[in-house]
Amino acid sequence: DGGITQSPKYLFRKEGQNVTLSCEQNLNHDAMYWYRQDPGQGLRLIYYSQIVNDFQKGDIAEGYSVSREKKESFPLTVTSAQKNPTAFYLCASTDPGRNTGELFFGEGSRLTVL
Amino acid sequence: KQEVTQIPAALSVPEGENLVLNCSFTDSAIYNLQWFRQDPGKGLTSLLLIQSSQREQTSGRLNASLDKSSGRSTLYIAASQPGDSATYLCAVFGNTGKLIFGQGTTLQVKP
Repeated sequence: DGGITQSPKYLFRKEGQNVTLSCEQNLNHDAMYWYRQDPGQGLRLIYYSQIVNDFQKGDIAEGYSVSREKKESFPLTVTSAQKNPTAFYLCASTDPGRNTGELFFGEGSRLTVL
Repeated sequence: KQEVTQIPAALSVPEGENLVLNCSFTDSAIYNLQWFRQDPGKGLTSLLLIQSSQREQTSGRLNASLDKSSGRSTLYIAASQPGDSATYLCAVFGNTGKLIFGQGTTLQVKP
């Protein structure tokens, strides 16, 4: 079945540590996105990538980094510079070439800083 | 800058009621608008996608409308059921290549 897989589902981190969240898709989509969701708030865009080897900052990119070396993979690193990293992280993908813009989401990764 | 607003933030209705969720956006230059459902602790599931040239889309008991000129969309849920309880989010996709989300409406349908 085609879809988006995020791992791990739950992650605990000590202050000062970097952690990397995985996002893999087998939908053959060109564009991939990382969103952050906090309780009672909507989704805020961290980074997005329209094509391999290219990515752009979203609205809250500070303290995060990404790479897009393969079409199917878009990992997100939460660095120690992110002051409040505890949140629910969602990865999504779409195929702009189809001009529909329909976005498909993974099941999310919940990061807790101890 | 595109801003998306959803009203109300929370809604509680008895089972069987028809209900309307509202979404408004500030920039009418959009390619499409999507409605999503999110269950607690889960990812988002796409419910309906309306292209900018369309006025509405229907799927089962759900009907979404789009009025681009006024910057509004509504999600109509007919004959609500307890299983419809979830958070509903709308999002608009424009020429920035980004999908901008509202904060969501949390719906509770009481048996």
